[in-house]
Amino acid sequence: QQQVKQSPQSLIVQKGGISIINCAYENTAFDYFPWYQQFPGKGPALLIAIRPDVSEKKEGRFTISFNKSAKQFSLHIMDSQPGDSATYFCAASRMDSNYQLIWGAGTKLIIKP
Amino acid sequence: KAGVTQTPRYLIKTRGQQVTLSCSPISGHRSVSWYQQTPGQGLQFLFEYFSETQRNKGNFPGRFSGRQFSNSRSEMNVSTLELGDSALYLCASERSGGSNEQFFGPGTRLTVL
Repeated sequence: QQQVKQSPQSLIVQKGGISIINCAYENTAFDYFPWYQQFPGKGPALLIAIRPDVSEKKEGRFTISFNKSAKQFSLHIMDSQPGDSATYFCAASRMDSNYQLIWGAGTKLIIKP
Repeated sequence: KAGVTQTPRYLIKTRGQQVTLSCSPISGHRSVSWYQQTPGQGLQFLFEYFSETQRNKGNFPGRFSGRQFSNSRSEMNVSTLELGDSALYLCASERSGGSNEQFFGPGTRLTVL
């Protein structure tokens, strides 16, 4: 019940295309779903996060879509750029407790120029 | 505001030795979490410290231990090093420890020969 399954493991997208990364969770008590971005040689950094009271959150070219009934959420990167090439991690947790973040396995995204 | 700092950045050890890694969180942050990152394995949670107490623990053997000091600085120790311990060790600090945003350091790259 604690797993977060992330797919695909790797993704190659042409510049200007849409990158889509999917995550599924099991614990219905989770209410905080962040996405982190990690560049080579750096630690991950928070990119965008969503709570289950909304179905979509957009920040610039990055959008999280959330489907509570399916227990799935996804990251969409519009107009993907070479600078978006990085590893992306989804995670899930509960905000009202001291739960640790449960992490997906990561997706290595390569944007081809 | 200074970010999370980790020392040393790189470390080479031999099997059987022990190692201590250090993490200084962002000022005012009381929670420090440690992760092991290996290629293809994502972020594996080691443990979390909050106000000098270990609050959460992952599924790692007892060779992995940690502690937190009164100034929130944290150390992680690995005894009897094995080849499989070669990895990037990341620490992340968080203001309250309640699944708010985690701020990661650049990591310590440990190589065990």
